[in-house]
Amino acid sequence: NAGVMQNPRHLVRRRGQEARLRCSPMKGHSHVYWYRQLPEEGLKFMVYLQKENIIDESGMPKERFSAEFPKEGPSILRIQQVVRGDSAAYFCASSPAQTDTQYFGPGTRLTVL
Amino acid sequence: RKEVEQDPGPFNVPEGATVAFNCTYSNSASQSFFWYRQDCRKEPKLLMSVYSSGNEDGRFTAQLNRASQYISLLIRDSKLSDSATYLCAVESSGNTPLVFGKGTRLSVIA
Repeated sequence: NAGVMQNPRHLVRRRGQEARLRCSPMKGHSHVYWYRQLPEEGLKFMVYLQKENIIDESGMPKERFSAEFPKEGPSILRIQQVVRGDSAAYFCASSPAQTDTQYFGPGTRLTVL
Repeated sequence: RKEVEQDPGPFNVPEGATVAFNCTYSNSASQSFFWYRQDCRKEPKLLMSVYSSGNEDGRFTAQLNRASQYISLLIRDSKLSDSATYLCAVESSGNTPLVFGKGTRLSVIA
């Protein structure tokens, strides 16, 4: 029973490039959440998605960031024109419908040079 | 006042000691509460859910105090392997985002 999968585990980008982070939820889970953790900071909620729908994006920066969870395939967090301040660990979590326990993936560590 | 607050520590305790952490939350409508453990450069892993009556799992006991709006985690007979950062998380209703505290760092020393 595979857990939440994220790839890549490490991603290096230069300023101005695009970063694409992927998350495959646990089998049977239809809810996906993205969180960001800056060094020495807590986890901050970014966006909550169900299949083909964004439910809550209140934690997403207004510009450059977008997320999707298509009918087929993983959820993708996309960061355009990355800046050094985007360097962080990005964690995805998933949960089954109608329950509240979230399970986290191993994270993607983004470094912007 | 921050939504979820924790003492960052570090708590340095000898093996075998009992240690307790508290976590306060500001939203009185919060319904679900969790303790996660996070090792350095790893993902958070669910340690315990905390419901109204509290719960116990081996050496770990979690309690909820709704009147004072805090949850606690008690670790008995600390092991070296308990060294980690402990995050509390609060959720206002099912399938809504978790709000995390910044975590409390625990170091168990031989």
